[in-house]
Amino acid sequence: EVQLVESGGGLVQPGGSLRLSCAASGFTISSYSMNWVRQAPGKGLEWVSYISSSSSTIYYADSVKGRFTISRDNGKNSLYLQMNSLRVEDTAVYYCVGGYWGQGTLVTVSS
Amino acid sequence: DIRMTQSPSSLSASVGDRVTITCRASQDISNYLAWFQQKPGKAPKSLIYAASSLQSGVPSRFSGSGSGTDFTLTISSLQPEDFATYYCQQYKSYPFTFGPGTKVDVK
Repeated sequence: EVQLVESGGGLVQPGGSLRLSCAASGFTISSYSMNWVRQAPGKGLEWVSYISSSSSTIYYADSVKGRFTISRDNGKNSLYLQMNSLRVEDTAVYYCVGGYWGQGTLVTVSS
Repeated sequence: DIRMTQSPSSLSASVGDRVTITCRASQDISNYLAWFQQKPGKAPKSLIYAASSLQSGVPSRFSGSGSGTDFTLTISSLQPEDFATYYCQQYKSYPFTFGPGTKVDVK
C-alpha cells in the first residue's frame, strides 16, 4: 500500500521556522518529481513547490520564494520543506504530493 | 501565470446522474491537466492525469477529455461516494495553478 506521511507541522509564531518531512512507503520517490501543496482553512488548493526526481529542477510559488526550501533524500525515500520567516498567511494544511497525496500536516502561524 | 477557471462552482445531483465539470485554462496547456477529488476533512485524491488518463484504482465511471484550453471531467453515473469537491490543475508551466473547485452535493 502506498503511503506518504507528513510530519513536522505545528504552532509557530510569525517569523519562526518549521521543517516539514514526508516519508514514503510502498512507493519509491526516486523515480518521481514531487510537490508540496497547501490548503488554508476553508479555501482551495494552492501549489507551493516542485522538485524533480534528481533535484536538478526546483520551482516555488511567488508567495513562498526566498522563504521556503524544498529538498529530497531519495536514499531515505523522503521529501522535505524548510519554511522560514513564516507569516500568518502561511497557515494551512501542507500536503506532500507525487501522484499520490499524503494525509497532510497542519501549520498554524499565530502569535 | 496561467489562470484556471471551473464551472459550475457547485452543482446538485442525484445518484445515477451524469455529471460534467468544465475546466478552462487562460492559455494553451496541451494536455498537462490533472483532476483531483476531495471529501470534507480528507486529503485530495488523484483521479486523472494528462487530461484523460485514469489513475490506477479510479473507477471507470470517471473520465476526462480535452486539450489546449478546454477540459471536462465526467462522472457517467454518480455514486454516493462521489459527492465531493473536484479540482483541476495545470502542470504545463509553473506556478502549477489549481482551479477554484466544483462542489458536487446531493440534490
